[in-house]
Amino acid sequence: DTGVSQNPRHKITKRGQNVTFRCDPISEHNRLYWYRQTLGQGPEFLTYFQNEAQLEKSRLLSDRFSAERPKGSFSTLEIQRTEQGDSAMYLCASSIWGTDKTVEQYFGPGTRLTVT
Amino acid sequence: AQSVTQLDSQVPVFEEAPVELRCNYSSSVSVYLFWYVQYPNQGLQLLLKYLSGSTLVKGINGFEAEFNKSQTSFHLRKPSVHISDTAEYFCAVSVRGGSEKLVFGKGTKLTVNP
Repeated sequence: DTGVSQNPRHKITKRGQNVTFRCDPISEHNRLYWYRQTLGQGPEFLTYFQNEAQLEKSRLLSDRFSAERPKGSFSTLEIQRTEQGDSAMYLCASSIWGTDKTVEQYFGPGTRLTVT
Repeated sequence: AQSVTQLDSQVPVFEEAPVELRCNYSSSVSVYLFWYVQYPNQGLQLLLKYLSGSTLVKGINGFEAEFNKSQTSFHLRKPSVHISDTAEYFCAVSVRGGSEKLVFGKGTKLTVNP
């Protein structure tokens, strides 16, 4: 069990560019969540997957955002045409659904995005 | 919809003193309750969780929390804090069943001074 990993840890991009983040969950965790955390705030839910199916998306996830989990393992979060308001920490978490540990989400270290 | 209110944005305390971080929540359905800790530039680590049963929950690093259904509160306590407890603490809820996505409060910055 190596924990949830996220890459890159930091990303600086210019407004209008596209960026992609990757999350590798704990192996055999079938649920994967994305959250966004802005300065001075708690994390906010963006979307989640159960295996490869994306089951819920927040209204925060505008059409410039897209997330995938193609084989039910790692996930990517892409932001197109970045805006300064997208600057935030993007957190990934994973959990096992269907056991008594369903509710426990394990978080990765996050990817800090800065849009200049 | 669920919401979480952390009543104190910052709590300064001296080393070895007791501390209480307050959390109130709002929900029309049953929820699970959590406290997470976040150290600078790191992800979140689960301190403790309340799912059901005993209302007093013990977690890691000597922390405990008490669920009070009538007051819709889940306050976090530690009888004696250390410098290393300096961090941001987040209270969160999730609805039983469904996505179980977490709804977080805005956080409380705990600063332990020597």
